[in-house]
Amino acid sequence: QVHLQESGPGLVKPSQTLSLTCTVSGGSISGSGYYWSWIRQPAGKGLEWIGHIYTSGTTQYNPSLKSRVTISVDTSKNQFSLKLNSVTAADTAVYYCARAAFHSGSYFCDYWGQGTLVSVSS
Amino acid sequence: SYELTQPPSVSVSPGQTASITCSGDKLGDKYACWYQQRPGQPPIVVIYQDDKRPSGIPERFSGSNSGNTATLTISGTQAMDEADYYCQAWDSSTVVFGGGTRLTVL
Repeated sequence: QVHLQESGPGLVKPSQTLSLTCTVSGGSISGSGYYWSWIRQPAGKGLEWIGHIYTSGTTQYNPSLKSRVTISVDTSKNQFSLKLNSVTAADTAVYYCARAAFHSGSYFCDYWGQGTLVSVSS
Repeated sequence: SYELTQPPSVSVSPGQTASITCSGDKLGDKYACWYQQRPGQPPIVVIYQDDKRPSGIPERFSGSNSGNTATLTISGTQAMDEADYYCQAWDSSTVVFGGGTRLTVL
């Protein structure tokens, strides 16, 4: 059973960089065919895809966040990470990491972390 | 950018059939999936690739996708099915979520 766990600061100051790490257990992050994703959800609102990374290092990002986002992977630690710079209050949300199966246009997240709340405030 | 539209809320009586729609331009040409999210919990996928159920998801959950609309159907709805439901698709190298539908079982 694959397990994902987010970690990182729960409070970030405006204009600074939000940094989160997702640790994967129960399976290798290097397994082929899977994308490792970040998704966020402001309180009381819907889901927003931030982006994902393949084990080759290939990344794709939500166009609305692309200029501020970097996702990286550390296969030696079985972790992948999110950096979102120049944050504002609008970036306050629960941040989820997830594993995505992606094949022939079919994309879905089959394993999710529990989520971590990140608040942006001075 | 591509958009998926869901009704904000759907109500259903216990034991009845609930249908939640997700609309998008030529959505039937893409694959849709559906997530269930209970309060304080991460989403779980209940339907993927339009109509496939992951192991452990009850048979009362089914999906279809044609034209501009994907539909999640819950037959014999139970109180435990009360949750938020999100559709999702892949378009132009981007993951797109619908706005979500709150299913109330009353």
